[in-house]
Amino acid sequence: SQQGEEDPQALSIQEGENATMNCSYKTSINNLQWYRQNSGRGLVHLILIRSNEREKHSGRLRVTLDTSKKSSSLLITASRAADTASYFCATIISSGSARQLTFGSGTQLTVLP
Amino acid sequence: NAGVTQTPKFRVLKTGQSMTLLCAQDMNHEYMYWYRQDPGMGLRLIHYSVGEGTTAKGEVPDGYNVSRLKKQNFLLGLESAAPSQTSVYFCASSLLGASYNEQFFGPGTRLTVL
Repeated sequence: SQQGEEDPQALSIQEGENATMNCSYKTSINNLQWYRQNSGRGLVHLILIRSNEREKHSGRLRVTLDTSKKSSSLLITASRAADTASYFCATIISSGSARQLTFGSGTQLTVLP
Repeated sequence: NAGVTQTPKFRVLKTGQSMTLLCAQDMNHEYMYWYRQDPGMGLRLIHYSVGEGTTAKGEVPDGYNVSRLKKQNFLLGLESAAPSQTSVYFCASSLLGASYNEQFFGPGTRLTVL
């Protein structure tokens, strides 16, 4: 079974609106990362948040982490058509190999112009 | 600076055939990884390497072998391809382990096994 699971599986919004995606995980983590994948392309790293951090910002991205609920959220503000992509959370589990990321199944975001 | 490149981009094999996928990175990264991505799923780690001459098994290593003879290259081999290995394969690299750094991904290789 996968460590991280994104919710919702698919999200469709209008350009200019905010998009929120959630990630839940099962075991204690070292850090949590968010990646974006455009159709037919490789993954691109967006942001990394460590287990002792609660919130992090990068441009129009805001990530929160609640270790007590084992969940994270990715907020994209003022969305653009170019934000259309799949978004994945990935975790490093504390008890396992520090070299392995475990990915969720992703949220497909569609931003309508 | 090309980042992470993968060869080939597409390949069709018949059951039982063999092939090697090549991954190259020019960022002097120590760690390299091979993942597979199936429809509607996230990436699953096949094998990884923490440095030249070293390899280790990931989550789904069966049916695959790897080699890291040079720091910049990481090869993924399929000795006897099976239809269950139809997937998109991604290579990635990172400067240090995943606890510290993001991973940089290649564009992927789409493999179909008939």
